[in-house]
Amino acid sequence: DTEVTQTPKHLVMGMTNKKSLKCEQHMGHRAMYWYKQKAKKPPELMFVYSYEKLSINESVPSRFSPECPNSSLLNLHLHALQPEDSALYLCASSHFPNREWEKLFFGSGTQLSVL
Amino acid sequence: EDKVVQSPLSLVVHEGDTVTLNCSYEVTNFRSLLWYKQEKKAPTFLFMLTSSGIEKKSGRLSSILDKKELSSILNITATQTGDSAIYLCAVGETSGSRLTFGEGTQLTVNP
Repeated sequence: DTEVTQTPKHLVMGMTNKKSLKCEQHMGHRAMYWYKQKAKKPPELMFVYSYEKLSINESVPSRFSPECPNSSLLNLHLHALQPEDSALYLCASSHFPNREWEKLFFGSGTQLSVL
Repeated sequence: EDKVVQSPLSLVVHEGDTVTLNCSYEVTNFRSLLWYKQEKKAPTFLFMLTSSGIEKKSGRLSSILDKKELSSILNITATQTGDSAIYLCAVGETSGSRLTFGEGTQLTVNP
């Protein structure tokens, strides 16, 4: 199994809503990532979890709250988002720490629209 | 600040053409350079180049790393419509965990 599965594929939410994005992998990877990608732009790193611990937070606003319940699952909790947060949210995983950590396996993303 | 620059930003070719995509980088502690292909949503890994592996080839795709010039090229020969995608270049540092992506090259292959 070489897949990273993300749900939902599409999400429309209002600025007062609370929602969660989910990501799952069964490749035994111990690093998991959240990226944000705007149209025609490269992915921007948001968070990195290594061995289920948050290792990098790229100064992301607190309305985005990541969670790593176990080594296979990664969540991104969303609350009080702004319209400018509309984007494709990509989850990725990789071997860690030293064994080709850069070779990321990406999910298909959640296309988020904030109204 | 680390920087990855790709060129051209977009390219339109006919099936059968050969294309060369460019990537140059400025990073503090270079460890690796990677190429990803993004067709619709999920980027997929193509190649990873390091000091110990500066040339990679897979079918019609090949890539070379020039550490002296701080750059890389991705070659695609005998292009097919299925090669139409955004090609992303990314650089990893020795500190680990963080990739710096370039803006990508949008390749369109017309029949």
